[in-house]
Amino acid sequence: DQQVKQNSPSLSVQEGRISILNCDYTNSMFDYFLWYKKYPAEGPTFLISISSIKDKNEDGRFTVFLNKSAKHLSLHIVPSQPGDSAVYFCAASDGNDMRFGAGTRLTVKP
Amino acid sequence: GAGVSQSPRYKVAKRGQDVALRCDPISGHVSLFWYQQALGQGPEFLTYFQNEAQLDKSGLPSDRFFAERPEGSVSTLKIQRTQQEDSAVYLCASSPSSSGLVTGELFFGEGSRLTVL
Repeated sequence: DQQVKQNSPSLSVQEGRISILNCDYTNSMFDYFLWYKKYPAEGPTFLISISSIKDKNEDGRFTVFLNKSAKHLSLHIVPSQPGDSAVYFCAASDGNDMRFGAGTRLTVKP
Repeated sequence: GAGVSQSPRYKVAKRGQDVALRCDPISGHVSLFWYQQALGQGPEFLTYFQNEAQLDKSGLPSDRFFAERPEGSVSTLKIQRTQQEDSAVYLCASSPSSSGLVTGELFFGEGSRLTVL
């Protein structure tokens, strides 16, 4: 069963514009959420996280929003840069393990 | 290097062969995870170690899969009698968390890509 879902396999945006990546989850026991970024032939690298006691966490150009009632989180990248082009994975943890979505491939066009 | 190291990076096996994949976690990291990533999918949890103790192996798809971490550092994922559906990238990740809870980021290796012919 897919407990973490990323319904958009790909997203293309223009450089300088906002990128919004979405993620939905089904397990209400998840209390910690993360976004990972993955370049080809590399392992995923941590980008930003948020705990369930918050609804927003910001780190430079990256902001993660959490809507617990909707079981939805999103990653905003603004302004988007060509170097942001990668696959982004949403992940969620209930303290026992970490589940990942299928990923969204972001392409930022110059 | 200071990161998680996995070997081999690429492995081609004939169906029925046994394979062993190695993970060297970041020194001092207590927690170690194995994930399986099929093409176009996200990482799927296989198993989790805290030091040498395998606390969760619920994600191992069959009894052909076996993982160990005998001294609490290096880990080996072994797949016996490989099948074509075992073809995937096997990712190892470590975490400094000693609480036994997964509350922080995981540090991933580059993965071992297994192709079973």
